[in-house]
Amino acid sequence: DGGITQSPKYLFRKEGQNVTLSCEQNLNHDAMYWYRQDPGQGLRLIYYSQIVNDFQKGDIAEGYSVSREKKESFPLTVTSAQKNPTAFYLCASSPLYLVDDRGDYGYTFGSGTRLTVV
Amino acid sequence: AQSVTQPDIHITVSEGASLELRCNYSYGATPYLFWYVQSPGQGLQLLLKYFSGDTLVQGIKGFEAEFKRSQSSFNLRKPSVHWSDAAEYFCAVDRPGSARQLTFGSGTQLTVLP
Repeated sequence: DGGITQSPKYLFRKEGQNVTLSCEQNLNHDAMYWYRQDPGQGLRLIYYSQIVNDFQKGDIAEGYSVSREKKESFPLTVTSAQKNPTAFYLCASSPLYLVDDRGDYGYTFGSGTRLTVV
Repeated sequence: AQSVTQPDIHITVSEGASLELRCNYSYGATPYLFWYVQSPGQGLQLLLKYFSGDTLVQGIKGFEAEFKRSQSSFNLRKPSVHWSDAAEYFCAVDRPGSARQLTFGSGTQLTVLP
């Protein structure tokens, strides 16, 4: 079955260290996204990518970096510059347009990675 | 820029009672609207969506939502809540066109009393 895989499910990081969260999809979606979730704040967009080797900053990109070397993969690096990295991170993918040729229209979300800084 | 407001942070209802979760959006044109549900520590599950046409949309698990353009609202309803509906609910607006970007409300936590 097609879907999005995020790994690991739980991640612990020491202050001052960079850490990379994995996101892989086999849906052949062009667009991929990273969201950060904090209690009471909903989901906020960190970065998104609509095509390989291209990505755009979202609302809260500071302290994060991404790459899109393959269509299937969109890893997120939380750098030591991110002042408050403890959060739940969700990856998503979608067709580039609202409805593509296959009738696929929505966003698919991974099951998330909970990052804790210790 | 688009935005979504969910004015109720937390709602408590008794099992079997009706439910309405409020959602208001701000967008220059008719947006695409979604409701998602999230169980603790999990990803998001799509309940229903509105793109165009009939303003009353049916979703999974017995949920429905009504798009009211005049009120910029997309409220979620269920006639009889089950204990398994306890979760967090998010309303979201999508920007049409090639520059898609899903913007979420801050969520409403639903507690169901036995």
